[in-house]
Amino acid sequence: QKEVEQDPGPLSVPEGAIVSLNCTYSNSAFQYFMWYRQYSRKGPELLMYTYSSGNKEDGRFTAQVDKSSKYISLFIRDSQPSDSATYLCAPLEGAQKLVFGQGTRLTINP
Amino acid sequence: SAVISQKPSRDICQRGTSLTIQCQVDSQVTMMFWYRQQPGQSLTLIATANQGSEATYESGFVIDKFPISRPNLTFSTLTVSNMSPEDSSIYLCSVAENGNTIYFGEGSWLTVV
Repeated sequence: QKEVEQDPGPLSVPEGAIVSLNCTYSNSAFQYFMWYRQYSRKGPELLMYTYSSGNKEDGRFTAQVDKSSKYISLFIRDSQPSDSATYLCAPLEGAQKLVFGQGTRLTINP
Repeated sequence: SAVISQKPSRDICQRGTSLTIQCQVDSQVTMMFWYRQQPGQSLTLIATANQGSEATYESGFVIDKFPISRPNLTFSTLTVSNMSPEDSSIYLCSVAENGNTIYFGEGSWLTVV
């Protein structure tokens, strides 16, 4: 079993839809949870991170962590074609080691 | 956030040769990291590089294959030695700022033929 599981998709939704991206993880010691966005042929871009359980909102993006079920979510409201990218969840293990999920490829259709 | 520059951005290499990738950061950082992203796969940590000490390698990665230098707080290199087609990947440099925010460079895209 991988430490972080993420549905690779692809996921295709119409513009304006609410997108839900999810990961599960197995290591209960994880405390920080990152979301990265990676456009084709580019490096990962840090979108946001949360600490422990709870929600964090940044514009159209909301990150949610439920440590009791080891479940991580990223919601995108009013999705735009420019949101089309691969989204990677990455809990932080110990001294700044990121453990990446496989990434979900998202396409927003105009 | 830190600005991270990598060179080369892409290269095509012959089997059996070695290539050194450079990573330059626009601010001083304690910890730098090297990741690999194989085609269609996610990112895997190769090693952590601290200035003034030997790099710490993750399971499955060895110094003879991936020697790393960290001569100062803004620069690091990763060498991919004796390359084979299986080494065709994106190699990414990353840095940690303010403890838990980790940023990545644009990556170095290597194809081994």
